[in-house]
Amino acid sequence: AQTVTQSQPEMSVQEAETVTLSCTYDTSESDYYLFWYKQPPSRQMILVIRQEAYKQQNATENRFSVNFQKAAKSFSLKISDSQLGDAAMYFCAYRGPNFGNEKLTFGTGTRLTIIP
Amino acid sequence: GAVVSQHPSRVICKSGTSVKIECRSLDFQATTMFWYRQFPKQSLMLMATSNEGSKATYEQGVEKDKFLINHASLTLSTLTVTSAHPEDSSFYICSARPETSGNTIYFGEGSWLTVV
Repeated sequence: AQTVTQSQPEMSVQEAETVTLSCTYDTSESDYYLFWYKQPPSRQMILVIRQEAYKQQNATENRFSVNFQKAAKSFSLKISDSQLGDAAMYFCAYRGPNFGNEKLTFGTGTRLTIIP
Repeated sequence: GAVVSQHPSRVICKSGTSVKIECRSLDFQATTMFWYRQFPKQSLMLMATSNEGSKATYEQGVEKDKFLINHASLTLSTLTVTSAHPEDSSFYICSARPETSGNTIYFGEGSWLTVV
């Protein structure tokens, strides 16, 4: 079974600074998808960024980027120029390759605090 | 973007009664929807995969007779918690993938269930 591990229960960063959230996973598949979701106090799950395992290039979405290390099974999220609105729980998630099976396996989450 | 709506957002029910939570894809069709449960300060745990026109697939340890899932149409899945008990109190959230969207998965806003 696939597992996703987030080893940082809590992180904090000064506003405008950069922070990196860690995620490792375990799978025997060669093709899969990785995600970072943000869950603010409203509890709405918001997709931050997505990475396809077959792509070597790291995904980037504005201030958010990932460092995808397939051999190491590592998928960290870097948030640049942190803003107060970035404060939330961040979940790393894994999805297998099979079409029609979009169930996600989530890590335990990292609570990010932004210090003004 | 695509919208997934859950109703009710909050519900309080008496112990021993049943409560139904709806998950609707408002602007797309989804043959598969997923139901997750999230305990306070914990991650999302997949409960079951809801399949349109067929029986749901439950994860190990989830009581299918207690958590009834019906996926009667391509835009609606319902989760019924039967004979609810206080330990069923939790945050329930659904997700769905549009048939034509590729790999983007959308989440509902979630539903808080409190059993008293």
